[in-house]
Amino acid sequence: GEDVEQSLFLSVREGDSSVINCTYTDSSSTYLYWYKQEPGAGLQLLTYIFSNMDMKQDQRLTVLLNKKDKHLSLRIADTQTGDSAIYFCAESSPTGGGNKLTFGTGTQLKVEL
Amino acid sequence: DAMVIQNPRYQVTQFGKPVTLSCSQTLNHNVMYWYQQKSSQAPKLLFHYYDKDFNNEADTPDNFQSRRPNTSFCFLDIRSPGLGDAAMYLCATSRDQDRVEQYFGPGTRLTVT
Repeated sequence: GEDVEQSLFLSVREGDSSVINCTYTDSSSTYLYWYKQEPGAGLQLLTYIFSNMDMKQDQRLTVLLNKKDKHLSLRIADTQTGDSAIYFCAESSPTGGGNKLTFGTGTQLKVEL
Repeated sequence: DAMVIQNPRYQVTQFGKPVTLSCSQTLNHNVMYWYQQKSSQAPKLLFHYYDKDFNNEADTPDNFQSRRPNTSFCFLDIRSPGLGDAAMYLCATSRDQDRVEQYFGPGTRLTVT
């Protein structure tokens, strides 16, 4: 079955880089995602990576994918207080006419001054 | 401009009293999803519609049902809410299975008393 794991907490200082890690087990996933959730809010799609890529960069965000180890990471450069939130990685699998997202447990990022 | 709208944002219902949550979208997307997110847990897919075709996840309780009267609207009906159904309910849309982005609404937080 599918199982996506993340560390629960990460604390960084403002201006430092944050690295959030994720391990997944479904090797057939075509896409892997990072979502951000602020308190009491829905999920905001940050970025995603196709499974045949090993890196994707989008402004302050860098996604690294190690398909052999089923390891995904999100690096946030120059972390700001506004980046404080819960970050979920997710893998997708086709289902019916859509795509089912299986989410990790979420990593709470705390940015300190 | 809001693209995926959920109403109400907060809903309180009594144990066993049917409740309906609403989702609408302005994106004209073919696929609409309902996820359940319990406190401090990952969102979990309940079911989705591809156009008018309903796709239920195998472990979604019979207590949960859905309706999609047209492209824009999708409803989640909980026939007899239990205390264990208290959660955030997230609606999401995607254009179709080939388009990988899922866009989430702000969620409805359901409290069962």
